[in-house]
Amino acid sequence: AQKVTQAQTEISVVEKEDVTLDCVYETRDTTYYLFWYKQPPSGELVFLIRRNSFDEQNEISGRYSWNFQKSTSSFNFTITASQVVDSAVYFCALSEADAGNNRKLIWGLGTSLAVNP
Amino acid sequence: DAMVIQNPRYQVTQFGKPVTLSCSQTLNHNVMYWYQQKSSQAPKLLFHYYDKDFNNEADTPDNFQSRRPNTSFCFLDIRSPGLGDAAMYLCATSRILAGGGGEQFFGPGTRLTVL
Repeated sequence: AQKVTQAQTEISVVEKEDVTLDCVYETRDTTYYLFWYKQPPSGELVFLIRRNSFDEQNEISGRYSWNFQKSTSSFNFTITASQVVDSAVYFCALSEADAGNNRKLIWGLGTSLAVNP
Repeated sequence: DAMVIQNPRYQVTQFGKPVTLSCSQTLNHNVMYWYQQKSSQAPKLLFHYYDKDFNNEADTPDNFQSRRPNTSFCFLDIRSPGLGDAAMYLCATSRILAGGGGEQFFGPGTRLTVL
């Protein structure tokens, strides 16, 4: 069965520190997609990135970077030089391409990141 | 700006009193989703529409219904809210289904309180 594990429930850092949020997934499918979403205190979920299973290239977007490793079934998210505005709950999610379950995201439980001044 | 809009942002209702939450989108996406999210939990999918095709999750209570009169609008009806239905309700849209890699764009949510 597919599953997404975000082992870190809460992380607290001081501004300007780098922080990595872990995401480990389980799937039997060869074609799948991984996502990261950010949920700030306002409540709105914000899409950050999508990665398909055939693209292991790491991605960098400003202070954000993602490390996808199929060998360890991980899709980790790093924030460099964290800022107070990065304080949010971050969710990792998985979707599989098979016909029986092509509608649904499998969500991790989220990691609550607090960036303190 | 293209966006997903939810109204109201906060809704208070009484136990058993029907309530309707609304969602509209200017993204012209084919798929619209309704999620329920309780405190410190991940969003839980209730149902979705792919165009006019309605898809209910197996564990969504019958108390929850949805309507999509056109591409832009989708409604969540809670026929007889119970205390356990107090939650944040999130509407999302995507161009294609999650299985096809469709990223979802969320509205700001409606926080429902049941008294």
